Amino acid sequence: KAGVTQTPRYLIKTRGQQVTLSCSPISGHRSVSWYQQTPGQGLQFLFEYFSETQRNKGNFPGRFSGRQFSNSRSEMNVSTLELGDSALYLCASQRTRDSSYEQYFGPGTRLTVT
Amino acid sequence: GDSVTQMEGPVTLSEEAFLTINCTYTATGYPSLFWYVQYPGEGLQLLLKATKADDKGSNKGFEATYRKETTSFHLEKGSVQVSDSAVYFCALSLTDKLIFGTGTRLQVFP
Repeated sequence: KAGVTQTPRYLIKTRGQQVTLSCSPISGHRSVSWYQQTPGQGLQFLFEYFSETQRNKGNFPGRFSGRQFSNSRSEMNVSTLELGDSALYLCASQRTRDSSYEQYFGPGTRLTVT
Repeated sequence: GDSVTQMEGPVTLSEEAFLTINCTYTATGYPSLFWYVQYPGEGLQLLLKATKADDKGSNKGFEATYRKETTSFHLEKGSVQVSDSAVYFCALSLTDKLIFGTGTRLQVFP
């Protein structure tokens, strides 16, 4: 069974630009969550999508947005990039919205903002 | 709010030593608890989980027991290997998001 895939793996952008990251969950998984990992703040929850609807959102500005498609694939978008947005962005898929089910993570997209 | 506290690292051990990484949590309900591991340049891999009090999760020689009375989920391994060198994250889940600890770096030397 294929794991969670994320594209691209690496990105370099300049301040003010926008970026779109993509995530394909494990087949049959309907919930997709996004996390930001930085050395200073650690792992922080961005948002979660289930059945094409955002179900939960972390404490991030409106520049961070996402969506989920009918095949459960998800994208996240960051507009007006800032230097502080440089991070590893991790996508995780989960079979369904139940805390007892584990989340499986992709390899991440390393975003560098210059 | 809900949170996870892990011991500071790095933890430095010789091969075959005993490992303990402490993890305690604060939660308003009854969370599921997880340990994830991150190798350099990679995403997170689920190591083990426990979904209710007194459950013991185990995988690859690692174990952790869900202790409700002490709100803890300490990770242990009887004999570490060089290949266990990584960053270990304790996490809790009450609904559909994971709340992570800050991570503990483990370095194992031959």
